[in-house]
Amino acid sequence: EADIYQTPRYLVIGTGKKITLECSQTMGHDKMYWYQQDPGMELHLIHYSYGVNSTEKGDLSSESTVSRIRTEHFPLTLESARPSHTSQYLCASSDPGHGYTFGSGTRLTVV
Amino acid sequence: AQKVTQAQTEISVVEKEDVTLDCVYETRDTTYYLFWYKQPPSGELVFLIRRNSFDEQNEISGRYSWNFQKSTSSFNFTITASQVVDSAVYFCALSEVLATGANSKLTFGKGITLSVRP
Repeated sequence: EADIYQTPRYLVIGTGKKITLECSQTMGHDKMYWYQQDPGMELHLIHYSYGVNSTEKGDLSSESTVSRIRTEHFPLTLESARPSHTSQYLCASSDPGHGYTFGSGTRLTVV
Repeated sequence: AQKVTQAQTEISVVEKEDVTLDCVYETRDTTYYLFWYKQPPSGELVFLIRRNSFDEQNEISGRYSWNFQKSTSSFNFTITASQVVDSAVYFCALSEVLATGANSKLTFGKGITLSVRP
């Protein structure tokens, strides 16, 4: 049973559209993360949050933005999608016991 | 800065062969955690193991075993008697422990694509 939920699972969208990828967790974790993964490639951290109203950019520069208004919710937004944004986006949260839980991911295709 | 190196990119074996996936890490911290994840074609990350830096005991779980050696900064993963269902991408990852005792973000290696042929 997944405790971290990502929607949508798959998304095909046209260039220039604004999109928001949803990520929610029910575990009360303070720390949450977004990773970007191109097909067959390594995972890169693009955003993370250590609590409400706290967000930081990750190791890989990204045109996306995030917000953390509620502990359980960490959405990622692309204001104007481009084909270069085609990727899989994985959301995760971590608990004080040093465990990480990942969502099932959103596979985004921008045409 | 922390770094995880998985030098092997692709490995192909025949079913029932044993296979070892290598992982070497770099960190300046004395306290850290190491992980292995499996990513099947469906794309989700499946947690396999977590090991903290103070626990150098090897671990065995069914056909899986892990060898952690701090002296060589390695955390290798062996699959015994591989099966077709083991075909996936395997990631090694590292997280450091912040001064507060909390964990930091995960840093991943580039992953190893394992193909097990019948």
